[in-house]
Amino acid sequence: EAQVTQNPRYLITVTGKKLTVTCSQNMNHEYMSWYRQDPGLGLRQIYYSMNVEVTDKGDVPEGYKVSRKEKRNFPLILESPSPNQTSLYFCASSSVRDGREQYFGPGTRLTVT
Amino acid sequence: GDSVTQMEGPVTLSEEAFLTINCTYTATGYPSLFWYVQYPGEGLQLLLKATKADDKGSNKGFEATYRKETTSFHLEKGSVQVSDSAVYFCALINTGGFKTIFGAGTRLFVKA
Repeated sequence: EAQVTQNPRYLITVTGKKLTVTCSQNMNHEYMSWYRQDPGLGLRQIYYSMNVEVTDKGDVPEGYKVSRKEKRNFPLILESPSPNQTSLYFCASSSVRDGREQYFGPGTRLTVT
Repeated sequence: GDSVTQMEGPVTLSEEAFLTINCTYTATGYPSLFWYVQYPGEGLQLLLKATKADDKGSNKGFEATYRKETTSFHLEKGSVQVSDSAVYFCALINTGGFKTIFGAGTRLFVKA
C-alpha cells in the first residue's frame, strides 16, 4: 500500500529537549515536505526537499532542521523546542512528474511545555 | 509573494444543498492549483487539481475551474452529503518551483 508514515503520532516534551519526528514514504517520490498546521493559519511549509541531499526552506523554517540522506526518509529535527512549536505536523511527498499532487502522512501532534 | 485566500468558515449546510467555497490566489507565472480535504483526525488528501487556465478538476461530485482572469479556483458541489463534512484547503504550487502555499482552510458541516 502506497503511504507516508510518521512517528511518533503524539509527543509531549519539555522546552529545550531535542527531538526528531520521522517521515518515510514507499512511493519512490523525489519531493518531500514538512508542514505545520495551526488554527486559522492553514498549513505552512517548514522545509522541502527535491531529492536526496537537496533541501530548501519553506515559509517558517526557524527552529527546525531537516536532512535527506535517503530518498524514502525525511526527518524533522527540533534541536531546542519551544512552546511556540506546539502544533500539528504533517509530512508529505510527491513525484515531480505527475502534477505534484502530494500524499500526506497522518500527522504528529506535538506539545512543548 | 504568492498567497491563497479562502472564504472563512465554518460553512453549515443541510444535506443536498449546493456548496461553493471561494478560493482566490496571487502568484507569478502559471501555478498549479489544488483542493485538498481533511477529515477529522486524518491527514490531507487530494480532492482535485488543475494545472492550466480553463482546466476543470473534478472528483466525487466536486468541481473547480482554473480561472486565470479572476485568479480564482472556487470549489463547488451540487448536492452535499453528511459525509462531506470536513476541512477543505485550497493550495498552489508555482511553475518551476516547489514551494507550496495553502489557504487557511474552510470547515464544512453538513446536517442531516
